[in-house]
Amino acid sequence: NAGVTQTPKFQVLKTGQSMTLQCAQDMNHEYMSWYRQDPGMGLRLIHYSVGAGITDQGEVPNGYNVSRSTTEDFPLRLLSAAPSQTSVYFCASTPDVYTEAFFGQGTRLTVV
Amino acid sequence: AQSVAQPEDQVNVAEGNPLTVKCTYSVSGNPYLFWYVQYPNRGLQFLLKYITGDNLVKGSYGFEAEFNKSQTSFHLKKPSALVSDSALYFCAVRDPNSGYALNFGKGTSLLVTP
Repeated sequence: NAGVTQTPKFQVLKTGQSMTLQCAQDMNHEYMSWYRQDPGMGLRLIHYSVGAGITDQGEVPNGYNVSRSTTEDFPLRLLSAAPSQTSVYFCASTPDVYTEAFFGQGTRLTVV
Repeated sequence: AQSVAQPEDQVNVAEGNPLTVKCTYSVSGNPYLFWYVQYPNRGLQFLLKYITGDNLVKGSYGFEAEFNKSQTSFHLKKPSALVSDSALYFCAVRDPNSGYALNFGKGTSLLVTP
């Protein structure tokens, strides 16, 4: 079972470049979310989606865009990378309020 | 807003001793609480959750957690720690206003020494 798949696992960007972090789940979960993890700050919510075509901002959305054209895919776009976006990014999905979230393995992004 | 707090950045315990990792919560409505563990350079693994029912919740790898409504706490416990339990532990609460996303605590680093 694949679960939640994130690509790439590692990425180095130059300041100002753009890129898309991919997230796909094969469990038919309606709810998906993106987090960033920084030392000493836990995981913070960037964007979330409650179903195909519906997205909204989380706690730290600036500099990021998302879309949800299908139930399976929830890509995160960095519009113009900045060193402050150096972080580890996690995608997660869940089918309902009672079930735990399933996480991808993460993408370690470095912006130089 | 739904939030959790982990008051300890690090917990040290000797192998074989009981361990406790603390978590307190602040919610409006019913709390849906979760514990996750993260090993170095890995993703998050689910340990256990409290949704409703018994206050003592049993989870993976011998971990359990006690839900205490009066103290608004959800502490993670294990009767006998293993060196392999050394990892980063996160408490989280579900936010119904953010598409059932999770609000995480800052994490507690657990170090179990031989």
